[in-house]
Amino acid sequence: SQELEQSPQSLIVQEGKNLTINCTSSKTLYGLYWYKQKYGEGLIFLMMLQKGGEEKSHEKITAKLDEKKQQSSLHITASQPSHAGIYLCGAGTRGGGSQGNLIFGKGTKLSVKP
Amino acid sequence: GAVVSQHPSWVICKSGTSVKIECRSLDFQATTMFWYRQFPKQSLMLMATSNEGSKATYEQGVEKDKFLINHASLTLSTLTVTSAHPEDSSFYICSLEGGAGTEAFFGQGTRLTVV
Repeated sequence: SQELEQSPQSLIVQEGKNLTINCTSSKTLYGLYWYKQKYGEGLIFLMMLQKGGEEKSHEKITAKLDEKKQQSSLHITASQPSHAGIYLCGAGTRGGGSQGNLIFGKGTKLSVKP
Repeated sequence: GAVVSQHPSWVICKSGTSVKIECRSLDFQATTMFWYRQFPKQSLMLMATSNEGSKATYEQGVEKDKFLINHASLTLSTLTVTSAHPEDSSFYICSLEGGAGTEAFFGQGTRLTVV
């Protein structure tokens, strides 16, 4: 079965610093999704990547999917306390279209020190 | 995009009682919804796929008689945790598919504590 490995498991950075979170799959990804979750709350959609080599940016967050579609990275530039939370990568389990049935990594807990 | 409303956001119940969690799609007709469970420091794990008008499909290891799913309309799916035990304490969250090429939409989640 497909698994998603996220690294690091947790991260503490000083405000203003850049950081990267990685998500690696054991199989080809049919859509890679990045979500942010605050403890005990729902998921906030960040970005969706579907094509090999795709890169998307929103505000200070950039996500990339490698050409082989087995690894993705999430990069935050000039981190702020508002970026703190748990970042989850999720992947579709079948090809094409929207993916409601997702598998997730265990998450990366990000803390930003002011 | 679709808005998903989940209720309640948190619930505390006594061991042996049943708890119902509702997942509503507010502006999207959903023939399929998904129920996930998340234990502390663990990933979200798919429990079951809720199908409107037919039986839910459960993932391996999830007891269908314990986690009853009803999807009677295109906008509502319910998950009932029957005879709850402390080990059922977890964060339950529902989702539904958006249109082709879009992300899944998640409810706010329900934190269940069984005492």
